[in-house]
Amino acid sequence: DAGVIQSPRHEVTEMGQEVTLRCKPISGHDYLFWYRQTMMRGLELLIYFNNNVPIDDSGMPEDRFSAKMPNASFSTLKIQPSEPRDSAVYFCASSFDRLTLHFGNGTRLTVT
Amino acid sequence: GESVGLHLPTLSVQEGDNSIINCAYSNSASDYFIWYKQESGKGPQFIIDIRSNMDKRQGQRVTVLLNKTVKHLSLQIAATQPGDSAVYFCAENSNNDMRFGAGTRLTVKP
Repeated sequence: DAGVIQSPRHEVTEMGQEVTLRCKPISGHDYLFWYRQTMMRGLELLIYFNNNVPIDDSGMPEDRFSAKMPNASFSTLKIQPSEPRDSAVYFCASSFDRLTLHFGNGTRLTVT
Repeated sequence: GESVGLHLPTLSVQEGDNSIINCAYSNSASDYFIWYKQESGKGPQFIIDIRSNMDKRQGQRVTVLLNKTVKHLSLQIAATQPGDSAVYFCAENSNNDMRFGAGTRLTVKP
């Protein structure tokens, strides 16, 4: 089992550019989560999917953020346009029971 | 609102000693708790969990204690090793809402 795979590992972009983060969950896991981690706010849940359907997106900061899950093995988190305050580590996690999360190694995003 | 918090942001222990990491929670409706370990450059990893109908659960070198009376959770690591150095998070679940604490950084001195 390869675990949750995220790409890219690091992303540096300029303010105003579009950023797309990618995630491949563990096969067989019906739940997929996107988290953001910062020193100031810790781990924050942005959105989660069940069977590819978005269930709770109340944590998405604003309309600049969007997430999709076109199939059971792939999800994207897009920020357009990006801003410096979006700089953080973004984690994807998957779960078979909604409770025990298996995290990827994250994407470190820097917006200059 | 209710939140998960940690008593100690940092903890430094000598290799071979036992470590105790504490977590306070305020939501009395929480029924499931998890400890995660996050090493530098990696995502959080599941260590051990406990349900609210238990007060103790043991794993390999780790023990989680739950005191519902005072809403306190602790993680005990026996014979702490350099590889245990990481940030440890507690997480609580209530009505399928999983919330993470701020984390405690554990440093193991050789």
